[in-house]
Amino acid sequence: KAGVTQTPRYLIKTRGQQVTLSCSPISGHRSVSWYQQTPGQGLQFLFEYFSETQRNKGNFPGRFSGRQFSNSRSEMNVSTLELGDSALYLCASSLGGGHDIQYFGAGTRLSVL
Amino acid sequence: GESVGLHLPTLSVQEGDNSIINCAYSNSASDYFIWYKQESGKGPQFIIDIRSNMDKRQGQRVTVLLNKTVKHLSLQIAATQPGDSAVYFCAETITSYGKLTFGQGTILTVHP
Repeated sequence: KAGVTQTPRYLIKTRGQQVTLSCSPISGHRSVSWYQQTPGQGLQFLFEYFSETQRNKGNFPGRFSGRQFSNSRSEMNVSTLELGDSALYLCASSLGGGHDIQYFGAGTRLSVL
Repeated sequence: GESVGLHLPTLSVQEGDNSIINCAYSNSASDYFIWYKQESGKGPQFIIDIRSNMDKRQGQRVTVLLNKTVKHLSLQIAATQPGDSAVYFCAETITSYGKLTFGQGTILTVHP
């Protein structure tokens, strides 16, 4: 069974631009969660989607948004990029229950110049 | 100015030794805990999980211990191998859909 796939693997953007990252979950998984990983803050939860609905949200500004499609694939968008948005963005998928194991993709490395 | 990076704890062991990685979790209401391993250039990889109604769980070469009284988790790796070298994270959740709260991580280095 294929794992979680994130595209692209690397992105370079400039301040003020926007970016869209994509995540394809493991087949049969209906929940997709997004995390930001930085050396300064570690791994932080952004939001979670299940059946095209956002069920949970972390403490990030409104510039960070996401959506989920009917096939469970998910995208996250960051608008008006700031230097501090440079990070590894990780997506994880699970079946969708509260105690389900989350399986992570390799991440998208975003650099904002 | 520049942000200060997290100073991750480090553990250095010899191949074949047993390793113990510790984690203090933050929320006494958390009821599910997971250990992940992250190698350079990869996403976190699931190792083992434990629910709050248990205090010990064993997998292949790994054991997780949970002490709810002091909000402490540990991961024991038996006969550590060079391939175990990575950053290890504990994560907790309050059955809150999708939201895992991660610890800062521990760098494990295994010397041949």
